[in-house]
Amino acid sequence: GNSVTQMEGPVTLSEEAFLTINCTYTATGYPSLFWYVQYPGEGLQLLLKATKADDKGSNKGFEATYRKETTSFHLEKGSVQVSDSAVYFCAPGGTALIFGKGTTLSVSS
Amino acid sequence: DGGITQSPKYLFRKEGQNVTLSCEQNLNHDAMYWYRQDPGQGLRLIYYSQIVNDFQKGDIAEGYSVSREKKESFPLTVTSAQKNPTAFYLCASSISDVGGEQYFGPGTRLTVT
Repeated sequence: GNSVTQMEGPVTLSEEAFLTINCTYTATGYPSLFWYVQYPGEGLQLLLKATKADDKGSNKGFEATYRKETTSFHLEKGSVQVSDSAVYFCAPGGTALIFGKGTTLSVSS
Repeated sequence: DGGITQSPKYLFRKEGQNVTLSCEQNLNHDAMYWYRQDPGQGLRLIYYSQIVNDFQKGDIAEGYSVSREKKESFPLTVTSAQKNPTAFYLCASSISDVGGEQYFGPGTRLTVT
């Protein structure tokens, strides 16, 4: 079955720093790939997605590119804000989404 | 507004009692899911349903039960057989079960003492 590995957190950054959260996956075929974000005490929200190889998903300044050759979908943002502090989950599609353990991002001003 | 509702937000029960968590969606989605979230564990799939009157076990179904009598509703019962029921429970839905994006409810935090 599908599986996913995310970089361990927590990730602590200063405001306006560059962010990368690594995500690699194993999957049968070429599933859609997703990044979700969870703010404290809330459910998950879709942040961005990519449906095929070389697609770039983007939203709110975050980007991730579907890399079939390296089976990766790393999340990046050029300049983080305090409001980006949350837990981020990478998930390949399947019968049900398979979630990584999540990466906690903490941004300080 | 379309969305998924879960109630209540917080739930407290005594050990040995069954408890049912509510999940309702008005997105006209066929598929619905229940996940459990523990600190440092990510999300783990409990049950999912692709269509009314049908559901499948996920990775950690032991001690849980579900029903899917209506398209809009997918309640989860945490039975007394679940050894560690205290957790954050998340319900989700998707248009179909073919790997598309899921929409999540706000979650229910269950505490059993």
